[in-house]
Amino acid sequence: KAGVTQTPRYLIKTRGQQVTLSCSPISGHRSVSWYQQTPGQGLQFLFEYFSETQRNKGNFPGRFSGRQFSNSRSEMNVSTLELGDSALYLCASSLGPLGGDQPQHFGDGTRLSIL
Amino acid sequence: KQEVTQIPAALSVPEGENLVLNCSFTDSAIYNLQWFRQDPGKGLTSLLLIQSSQREQTSGRLNASLDKSSGRSTLYIAASQPGDSATYLCAPSRGGGYQKVTFGIGTKLQVIP
Repeated sequence: KAGVTQTPRYLIKTRGQQVTLSCSPISGHRSVSWYQQTPGQGLQFLFEYFSETQRNKGNFPGRFSGRQFSNSRSEMNVSTLELGDSALYLCASSLGPLGGDQPQHFGDGTRLSIL
Repeated sequence: KQEVTQIPAALSVPEGENLVLNCSFTDSAIYNLQWFRQDPGKGLTSLLLIQSSQREQTSGRLNASLDKSSGRSTLYIAASQPGDSATYLCAPSRGGGYQKVTFGIGTKLQVIP
């Protein structure tokens, strides 16, 4: 069974640009969550989608947005990129919504560098 | 706001030793707590998930306990091996609020052959 797939693996952008990251969950999983990981802040929760609906959102500015498609694949978009957005962006999927009895499974992430 | 602390921040042990990693959290209103390991440059690998109604979970050489009332969880690793070297993270998950899942900074474990 294929794991969580994130594309691209690496991305370099400049300030002011926008970027879209993609996440394909494990087959049958309906919940997709996004996280930002930086050396200084650790892993921080961005948002969760379940059955195409955003169920919860972390404390990030509106420049960070996402969506989920009917096949459970999810995209995350960051607009007007800032230097501080440089990070490893991780996606996780689970059978049920967060807080339930199903574990999260993570992809290997997209490393975003802002120049 | 949930805050998660993991102690120690780093740990170096000889192969074969048993060890305990600690995780404490400030908000006991959690639904579950998950332990992960992360290898350099990689995503997180799920190790154990403990529901709020459970006291512990075991998988192979790993045993995780949860004391929700005191806001603590421990991960016990028996007979450590060099392949166990990684950063270990705990993540309590709550039912409401905007901070759905909160991660600790992790414990970086090195097992020396």
